[in-house]
Amino acid sequence: GAVVSQHPSWVICKSGTSVKIECRSLDFQATTMFWYRQFPKQSLMLMATSNEGSKATYEQGVEKDKFLINHASLTLSTLTVTSAHPEDSSFYICSARGGQGYTFGSGTRLTVV
Amino acid sequence: DAKTTQPTSMDCAEGRAANLPCNHSTISGNEYVYWYRQIHSQGPQYIIHGLKNNETNEMASLIITEDRKSSTLILPHATLRDTAVYYCIVRVLMNRDDKIIFGKGTRLHILP
Repeated sequence: GAVVSQHPSWVICKSGTSVKIECRSLDFQATTMFWYRQFPKQSLMLMATSNEGSKATYEQGVEKDKFLINHASLTLSTLTVTSAHPEDSSFYICSARGGQGYTFGSGTRLTVV
Repeated sequence: DAKTTQPTSMDCAEGRAANLPCNHSTISGNEYVYWYRQIHSQGPQYIIHGLKNNETNEMASLIITEDRKSSTLILPHATLRDTAVYYCIVRVLMNRDDKIIFGKGTRLHILP
């Protein structure tokens, strides 16, 4: 079946630094990928839609300059959290849309200290 | 906003069938019902989907009412590993602008 690999699975960074999260579709091409954020005990919140070769579409209230998304190939999308602060600590999940529907990555737990 | 309504939480004894309801009274004719689940600290996992007929796969069964305004996900023999948050979602199949919006889901506790 379709597999989406997300790395790293967890990361701790200092406040003010930037962190990059990768999302790869391993056995299918994904023209569209999605990034979600999830706080403890809450549901997944869609942050942005990433389309290969074009600018990402951000959901209302999500700062595009803070959460940089790059979808340079049909199998890779990256999310960079710039100038991270403790309030950015969260569980970030990517999803790729392919021929069989949607497949989710295993998530990245970001802790900003 | 999510177009579905689910109970916040449910308990089920291990080995019994877990029946998770979902209301989607405003579903459109071309919208499918999808179920995903999320085990703690993991990404969501696809379970099953259907349009109007009942569906069954190796994981679960999906029962959709005739008027399509509600559905029930059935896990026939629940195990402790089925403890998770279950999300019911309605969406148009592979529409270009399609994206999955999650509601609050049902937190299912399987009791030993």
